[in-house]
Amino acid sequence: DTGVSQDPRHKITKRGQNVTFRCDPISEHNRLYWYRQTLGQGPEFLTYFQNEAQLEKSRLLSDRFSAERPKGSFSTLEIQRTEQGDSAMYLCASSLLQGLTFGSGTRLTVV
Amino acid sequence: DQQVKQNSPSLSVQEGRISILNCDYTNSMFDYFLWYKKYPAEGPTFLISISSIKDKNEDGRFTVFLNKSAKHLSLHIVPSQPGDSAVYFCAASNAYNQGGKLIFGQGTELSVKP
Repeated sequence: DTGVSQDPRHKITKRGQNVTFRCDPISEHNRLYWYRQTLGQGPEFLTYFQNEAQLEKSRLLSDRFSAERPKGSFSTLEIQRTEQGDSAMYLCASSLLQGLTFGSGTRLTVV
Repeated sequence: DQQVKQNSPSLSVQEGRISILNCDYTNSMFDYFLWYKKYPAEGPTFLISISSIKDKNEDGRFTVFLNKSAKHLSLHIVPSQPGDSAVYFCAASNAYNQGGKLIFGQGTELSVKP
C-alpha cells in the first residue's frame, strides 16, 4: 500500500464550473477526512467519514460542497459553481485510530 | 477564533543548533497534541504527539513539551539538520475525536542553514 492517494494533483477551472476530486485512503483505515488549506494557514477540517457514513461536516462546507464515500473505500469531494475563494489545497487524510496520514493534496485554482 | 496559534511565521537556525517551535492553544478541552511537518507540494507528515497526561515526549532528535497550565507546547529539534527545513504545524484535538478532527495552527517555516 502506497499511502493516501489523491487525484488530480492540480486543477485549474473557470469560475462557475463544477469540479470533483478523488481520494483513495490507506486500505485498512476506516476513517477518512477532508481538509482545506489556504496560503499562510494550517489545514482546516471540512468533513469526515467512518466507513461510508459521513459523521461530521464543518460550517466551512457550504451547500456547494458535497462529499461521498459510497462503499467505505475511496471518497469524492465535489464543488459546484466554483468561486475564486474556493482556490486552495484540498487535503485528504485517513486513520485507523489516533493520528492522520495525509495525501499530497489537490491544488485547485479558480480563474 | 484561532484556537491553536503559532505566533512565529518563520524561524532560522544554524545547523547543529537547537530549533524551538512554539504553539499556544485556548481550548481547555484539547487533550491530544501533534506536530506535523510539511514540505512543498506534499501533504503534512506526522512527526510526534503528546497526550495531556504527559508533559514531555521524546523521539530521537525531536522532543515535545506540554505546559497545560499555560496552554503552551513546544517542539525542540536537537541537533537541527538542513533536511529539517520545512513548515511545522502544531495541531490539537480532544479524546472524543480520537485525534482525527484536528485543529491546526498557522504553521512556522523552519530554515536550517548549513
